[in-house]
Amino acid sequence: GNSVTQMEGPVTLSEEAFLTINCTYTATGYPSLFWYVQYPGEGLQLLLKATKADDKGSNKGFEATYRKETTSFHLEKGSVQVSDSAVYFCALSDQGGGADGLTFGKGTHLIIQP
Amino acid sequence: DVKVTQSSRYLVKRTGEKVFLECVQDMDHENMFWYRQDPGLGLRLIYFSYDVKMKEKGDIPEGYSVSREKKERFSLILESASTNQTSMYLCASSATTGVGGYTFGSGTRLTVV
Repeated sequence: GNSVTQMEGPVTLSEEAFLTINCTYTATGYPSLFWYVQYPGEGLQLLLKATKADDKGSNKGFEATYRKETTSFHLEKGSVQVSDSAVYFCALSDQGGGADGLTFGKGTHLIIQP
Repeated sequence: DVKVTQSSRYLVKRTGEKVFLECVQDMDHENMFWYRQDPGLGLRLIYFSYDVKMKEKGDIPEGYSVSREKKERFSLILESASTNQTSMYLCASSATTGVGGYTFGSGTRLTVV
């Protein structure tokens, strides 16, 4: 079956530091890949996505590249802010519309200190 | 602004009660989902529906049922609430065509005492 593995954290960084959150996956076929973010007390929001190999998703300064050869989709940001503190989830769907549900990693809690 | 609305942010129920969690989306999405979120376990799929009156079991359906009588509404039912069902419940929806990702509600934190 499908699975997603990501570092769980918490990951604590200082403001303006470089961020990498690793995500690797196991799936049949060619899944679509997503990063979601959950701010305290809220539901999940789609941060970025990629639908095929070598695609790069980007949003709000965050980037992730779909690497089929390493089955990875690592999240990066060049300079983090306190407001980026949240839980980040990597996810995959092996159907275009995800009719049978996304498979999520366990989430990475990111803490940015001023 | 499109959204998924969950009827309650916080609920406290007693063991053995029948509990209804309601979710409504205004995006005309075909697919709707219920997940529960627990520390250290991430998100786990309970049930999903790809059409009105259709439902499919997810990874952890035991102790739950669902109802989808209208396209925009997807209800999660705890037939007899137990303390191990204390959790954050998240509803989501998606369109069948395209790869738009999912839209989530804000969640319902259920405590069973």
